[in-house]
Amino acid sequence: GENVEQHPSTLSVQEGDSAVIKCTYSDSASNYFPWYKQELGKGPQLIIDIRSNVGEKKDQRIAVTLNKTAKHFSLHITETQPEDSAVYFCAAIDYKLSFGAGTTVTVRA
Amino acid sequence: EAGVAQSPRYKIIEKRQSVAFWCNPISGHATLYWYQQILGQGPKLLIQFQNNGVVDDSQLPKDRFSAERLKGVDSTLKIQPAKLEDSAVYLCASSSGLGYEQYFGPGTRLTVT
Repeated sequence: GENVEQHPSTLSVQEGDSAVIKCTYSDSASNYFPWYKQELGKGPQLIIDIRSNVGEKKDQRIAVTLNKTAKHFSLHITETQPEDSAVYFCAAIDYKLSFGAGTTVTVRA
Repeated sequence: EAGVAQSPRYKIIEKRQSVAFWCNPISGHATLYWYQQILGQGPKLLIQFQNNGVVDDSQLPKDRFSAERLKGVDSTLKIQPAKLEDSAVYLCASSSGLGYEQYFGPGTRLTVT
């Protein structure tokens, strides 16, 4: 089955700086890569996703990149704000969704 | 559009007791998923339904866990008997089809003492 690794496990950034989270996957058949944000006491919220036929996708301050050859994908958050503080999960789907272990992002005011 | 609904939000039981969780997916979503999220980890798929049929239950501990989705809408997940290691958040998600965006409910936090 798919194995998704995510780094770093924790990330502290100054408000206004950028945050980058990186993930690798093992199954070359995976074709869909969503990112979820989970706030305390809530379920994961889909924030952006990318399919295997696209290399990059951007939505306001959030962007994702995908390198199929290297089997890795990344989340970039620019101009971070305190409300970006949360746990972020990457995931990949071959026949089922497999999640990384999560990155706890703290934005310092 | 209403999101995925789950109840209860919290549950505390003693080991060897039974417990049931309920999920109502987004209207029109054919696919429903149950995930287990242990503290500090990502969600892990337990079972996946397409309408009222099981697509994947390979990670469901069938000796103690069961799930059903009658009429292809609501679903219940049951644990009987519960063990200490079942303490986790149980998340329900739904999507319009296989391989499409999944939307999660708020989860049920289960504590087994």
